[in-house]
Amino acid sequence: QSVLTQPPSASGTPGQRVTISCSGSNSNIGINPVNWYQQLPGTAPKFLINSKNQGPSGVPDRLSGSKSGTSASLAISGLQPEDEADYYCAAWDGGLNSYVFGTGTKVTVL
Amino acid sequence: QVQLQESGPGLVKPSETLSLTCTVSGGSLNSYYWSWIRQPPGKGLEWLGYIYSSGSTDYNPSLKSRVTISIDTSKNQFSLRLTSVSAADTATYYCARDRFGEGYWGQGTLVTVSS
Repeated sequence: QSVLTQPPSASGTPGQRVTISCSGSNSNIGINPVNWYQQLPGTAPKFLINSKNQGPSGVPDRLSGSKSGTSASLAISGLQPEDEADYYCAAWDGGLNSYVFGTGTKVTVL
Repeated sequence: QVQLQESGPGLVKPSETLSLTCTVSGGSLNSYYWSWIRQPPGKGLEWLGYIYSSGSTDYNPSLKSRVTISIDTSKNQFSLRLTSVSAADTATYYCARDRFGEGYWGQGTLVTVSS
C-alpha cells in the first residue's frame, strides 16, 4: 500500500488538457521534490519530469510538473494518442527513509 | 547511447536467492548512481536500492535484510542479490541509471518465484 495516492485513471480527447494528482504527506511531498514517470504499454518506465519542471531532453514542453503543500500534479496539455500510458509519481519519504512510488494512473486518450 | 541489459534466471525456487546482473554499454559506470526497481505483474513500481560507482549503497528498508547491490566497474556491470525469496518477489526487475531511475532504464527481466 503506497503512501502516495493517485487516481486510478484519467482520460481526455486529443488536444485536451489532463491533470494527474499525487497526494502525499509532510514526510514526502511536503519536503521533497516529486518525480514523474511514464510507462508505455509493455515497456520499461522512463523518467519524465519533476515538480520543479525539470526533465531530460526530449520531453515535450506540453508536460509540466508542480507541487503545492503535500500534493503534486502532472499536467499534459494538447493530449496526443502517444500519451496513452501509465503515469507514476514518486518521492523520497523521510519517515520511511525510502523512495516511494505512487499507485499509478492510467491515462486513456478517447 | 547508453544501454542497460538485465540478465539472470527467470525462475527461482522459494527460499532461494535471486541474482541478477545489469550490463551497461555505451558508457562508463564511474561517477554515476545505479539502481534496481521492480514491478510485480499488473502492479506498481517498488524501489529496491542503489549503488554509487564507489560502492556506497542505500536500500529500501522493507527489504534491507535481504537485498545486496554490488558493482564491478571493470566489467561495466552491477548486480542485485535478493535472498530468501517468496512468491511475493515475483516481478519484472529493472536496472536503471541514477538513484531513482532518472536516467536510462533496462528493458526489464521477469523473475518468477515458484517451485
